[in-house]
Amino acid sequence: AQSVTQPDIHITVSEGASLELRCNYSYGATPYLFWYVQSPGQGLQLLLKYFSGDTLVQGIKGFEAEFKRSQSSFNLRKPSVHWSDAAEYFCAVGARAGNMLTFGGGTRLMVKP
Amino acid sequence: NAGVTQTPKFRILKIGQSMTLQCTQDMNHNYMYWYRQDPGMGLKLIYYSVGAGITDKGEVPNGYNVSRSTTEDFPLRLELAAPSQTSVYFCASIPGSSYNSPLHFGNGTRLTVT
Repeated sequence: AQSVTQPDIHITVSEGASLELRCNYSYGATPYLFWYVQSPGQGLQLLLKYFSGDTLVQGIKGFEAEFKRSQSSFNLRKPSVHWSDAAEYFCAVGARAGNMLTFGGGTRLMVKP
Repeated sequence: NAGVTQTPKFRILKIGQSMTLQCTQDMNHNYMYWYRQDPGMGLKLIYYSVGAGITDKGEVPNGYNVSRSTTEDFPLRLELAAPSQTSVYFCASIPGSSYNSPLHFGNGTRLTVT
């Protein structure tokens, strides 16, 4: 069965600092990987996705993620965090974008001024 | 564009009561989903539908029912509410089975059962 682990439940960073959110997955075949962001009181919005090709993928809002097959990881990064990035971030894995998606437990990001 | 619309935003139920969570989308998407979100647990799939008249169970279907009589609407029914169903419920949709399509989420319904 596929699974996703986000080891960090909460992370606090200072505005302007760099950010890395960790995601580890377990999946039997070539995974499709996603990062979603959820602002308070909102639904989830897609940040970026990886299906194949270049293992470093760029997303919206200046985020990027790197797929490392040997480590079963898909960590999300941003070089300089803005206060508006405070939100909850979810990593997901699946065979396709629909009903096979499995979500991690989420990482709540807080940004200090 | 309205996208995916969920009503109500908040609801408090007593144990044993029933209710229907409404979900409608105006994007003519074929695939629709219901997820529940519990703290630290991510999102769990309750039911999904690949088109009008077709529904199937997800990971956590017990205590819920769905119907899909039109492409636009995908209501979720709780027949006998239990405290374990206290959660935030999200409806989502995609155009079809293409893996290139991101899920479009509604803003959620926060349900408390006491």
